[in-house]
Amino acid sequence: DAKTTQPNSMESNEEEPVHLPCNHSTISGTDYIHWYRQLPSQGPEYVIHGLTSNVNNRMASLAIAEDRKSSTLILHRATLRDAAVYYCILRDLGNTPLVFGKGTRLSVIA
Amino acid sequence: ETGVTQTPRHLVMGMTNKKSLKCEQHLGHNAMYWYKQSAKKPLELMFVYSLEERVENNSVPSRFSPECPNSSHLFLHLHTLQPEDSALYLCASSSVPGLRQYFGPGTRLTVT
Repeated sequence: DAKTTQPNSMESNEEEPVHLPCNHSTISGTDYIHWYRQLPSQGPEYVIHGLTSNVNNRMASLAIAEDRKSSTLILHRATLRDAAVYYCILRDLGNTPLVFGKGTRLSVIA
Repeated sequence: ETGVTQTPRHLVMGMTNKKSLKCEQHLGHNAMYWYKQSAKKPLELMFVYSLEERVENNSVPSRFSPECPNSSHLFLHLHTLQPEDSALYLCASSSVPGLRQYFGPGTRLTVT
């Protein structure tokens, strides 16, 4: 799997948007960009994924750079419940399991 | 609730004990996974099962022995563990290997 680079930690104020960056300069053409998050004392949960186009769902938006070498997970209004470790993971079309890095620890301040 | 349950949620065992972790998924998935999460380390994939057959074993010591009797259940049998095996053990499932994974809450294991 191609590697991703994320900041170790970020901080956000409650009710404000959060942009979580991810660099993946060695991404291949068949790699999907996945985001998972892990809340305290819980297992990871799926957030969103995309290939080339920007994606939106009820949890977040995913903005993918035109050259696909970076992406940004956007939480439109951070809440205290969004405090978690966010993982950006590349995964190809084959039957490959998820490979987790260290992720970004997001703190949300009331 | 993710549809993946794990028992027990907490386990303390001595190095000479034998215990088992259980995972059950209620999602009709065909692939199941064991991960280990040690303090301040990324999640490490241990085993992958697809249609009850082991398809991946990431150089895990033999003191960890997985079992998948059917597509809904996955076990991790533990024996003669070491204190460094203390960690959060997470189970996950997906409809096929490679697709979106659903994780259980984990079993917090402490080896004394």
